[in-house]
Amino acid sequence: AQKITQTQPGMFVQEKEAVTLDCTYDTSDPSYGLFWYKQPSSGEMIFLIYQGSYDQQNATEGRYSLNFQKARKSANLVISASQLGDSAMYFCAMRDSGYSTLTFGKGTMLLVSP
Amino acid sequence: GAVVSQHPSRVICKSGTSVKIECRSLDFQATTMFWYRQFPKQSLMLMATSNEGSKATYEQGVEKDKFLINHASLTLSTLTVTSAHPEDSSFYICSARGEGVEDTQYFGPGTRLTVL
Repeated sequence: AQKITQTQPGMFVQEKEAVTLDCTYDTSDPSYGLFWYKQPSSGEMIFLIYQGSYDQQNATEGRYSLNFQKARKSANLVISASQLGDSAMYFCAMRDSGYSTLTFGKGTMLLVSP
Repeated sequence: GAVVSQHPSRVICKSGTSVKIECRSLDFQATTMFWYRQFPKQSLMLMATSNEGSKATYEQGVEKDKFLINHASLTLSTLTVTSAHPEDSSFYICSARGEGVEDTQYFGPGTRLTVL
């Protein structure tokens, strides 16, 4: 069974600083994909970044990067130069090759202060 | 990224009525659509997976007769909450996945259902 763990219910960061949101996963499938989504208070789920299990390099998308450590089964999201608009709920999710469905973690609430 | 719309964004209804929520992929053909439910301060829970032209696959514990899903075309899926009750009040979000848009699921903006 798939499992996604986000151990940080809430995180605080000051504007312009970097922040790391933790995510660990558990799967026996050698082929899987890891996703991060942002959910602001409006409720929409915004896709941020994707990492495939066979990707050799860590994924990056603008200010977002994914610190993928396969042996540790971790896929932490790093947000550089935080902005006030980054305040939101962040969900880590995984999909393995056998399913098209996503399994979500419980989320981390990020608050960015001026 | 790909665009998914959802309508309505907010609905308030009386107990016992049925509510239909539409999910549309606007700029790609979605071979598979997903319906999620989210309670306040909780994560998304998958309710069902629907493939165009076939019956939806429901997750364990989700009543298929209460939550009717129709995926009649490659761009439209509907979720009908039949005989809604206050405990059905929740945030319902759809997502769509299609060929040509990697394997990413793109989410609609969600529908907040309140049953009085």
